[in-house]
Amino acid sequence: DIQMTQSPSSLSASVGDRVTITCRASQSISIYLNWYQQKPGTAPKLLISAASSLQSGVPSRFSGSGSGTDFTLTISSLQPEDFATYFCQQSYSTPWTFGQGTKVEI
Amino acid sequence: QVQLQESGPGLVKPSQTLSLTCNVSGASITSGGYYWSWFRQLPGKGLEFIGYVYFTGSTYYNPSLKSRVTMSVDTSKNQFSLKLTSATAADTAVYYCARYPRIISSGLDFWGQGTLVAVSS
Repeated sequence: DIQMTQSPSSLSASVGDRVTITCRASQSISIYLNWYQQKPGTAPKLLISAASSLQSGVPSRFSGSGSGTDFTLTISSLQPEDFATYFCQQSYSTPWTFGQGTKVEI
Repeated sequence: QVQLQESGPGLVKPSQTLSLTCNVSGASITSGGYYWSWFRQLPGKGLEFIGYVYFTGSTYYNPSLKSRVTMSVDTSKNQFSLKLTSATAADTAVYYCARYPRIISSGLDFWGQGTLVAVSS
């Protein structure tokens, strides 16, 4: 299985901050990396697919980059509704695997 | 709008079979082009992929659970199902169903709200 490692596991930030979350794959996954946002008690929401493709309706302050083994999710100006846990997921090969999550807190 | 909704017992006894159904609305399972998937999230933990079923009935199961998992699709009811045999406390989790477009560059675009299943006597 491809192992996905996120860092940091949690971070404290303020409204307006620029936030960067990284995800590393245990082997090359090309660009097949997706990012999700999850708020307590709710299902994950797809933000970005194929490393950098923003899903319809997702604010442009979210962006993704990377290829191969190293990927980044950036929130350019953190908003109150962005406090949540973020997961990466590889769709390069089955079994699909997820990072352990990054909790973004105030 | 596509909606998925999980249903099933919230409590399962150890050694019994955990059974869940995901009802799909706003899209037809038989339209093709999607893998209908199951995931779980252990308390306070990350997400684990269980497997998926295609509308033809073909399946993929995560090798870590393969010996205990069966998935099926009921096209007449537009729903798909998960069975996990020999349940233990380690299977206590929130279970999600989700849709995955059969394109490698896609992500899981629609999810159910999740259902908590506890395995306990």
